[in-house]
Amino acid sequence: QQQVKQSPQSLIVQKGGISIINCAYENTAFDYFPWYQQFPGKGPALLIAIRPDVSEKKEGRFTISFNKSAKQFSLHIMDSQPGDSATYFCAASNTGAGSYQLTFGKGTKLSVIP
Amino acid sequence: DVKVTQSSRYLVKRTGEKVFLECVQDMDHENMFWYRQDPGLGLRLIYFSYDVKMKEKGDIPEGYSVSREKKERFSLILESASTNQTSMYLCASSPQGAGNIQYFGAGTRLSVL
Repeated sequence: QQQVKQSPQSLIVQKGGISIINCAYENTAFDYFPWYQQFPGKGPALLIAIRPDVSEKKEGRFTISFNKSAKQFSLHIMDSQPGDSATYFCAASNTGAGSYQLTFGKGTKLSVIP
Repeated sequence: DVKVTQSSRYLVKRTGEKVFLECVQDMDHENMFWYRQDPGLGLRLIYFSYDVKMKEKGDIPEGYSVSREKKERFSLILESASTNQTSMYLCASSPQGAGNIQYFGAGTRLSVL
């Protein structure tokens, strides 16, 4: 049972455009929602994360939007650059239960073309 | 800087061989994880450990076992490798009480022939 659904599977965006990746979750106990970025040949690295007490978090060109009632969250990359080309994973966790596990989405391969 | 080191970047093994994948972290993290990454399937948790000599099954533990004899080292063992275990294996670690931030190694690409 997939608990975090991520879309799209792949995304092509022109340089300067906005990249949007969406995730939906089922478990209402999830209370921590990170996004990881993975470049070819590297392991994933934490990009940005949000908790459900806020609806939006922004770090530079990266913004997470969170909709608790819809159980959805999304990553927006403003002014997308070729250097942003990577695979992005959303994830979710239930930290309230003392769990350190992350449940990952299946990933989105982003290509930013010049 | 947190460093998670996986001993091999590429590994080629034969069906039926016993395979050891090693992972070492240098930040005294309590938690360690093993994932496999396959195209279109994302990251799937195999096993994890919250302490030395402690292990818990993840979502896909079948065909794997783990060992954690020292805090900094977490080993993934394929008792009898099969072709369907050809994959990218990722190790991660995290400190307790740090909001579940996981730090990943660069991965081991295992091919079982």
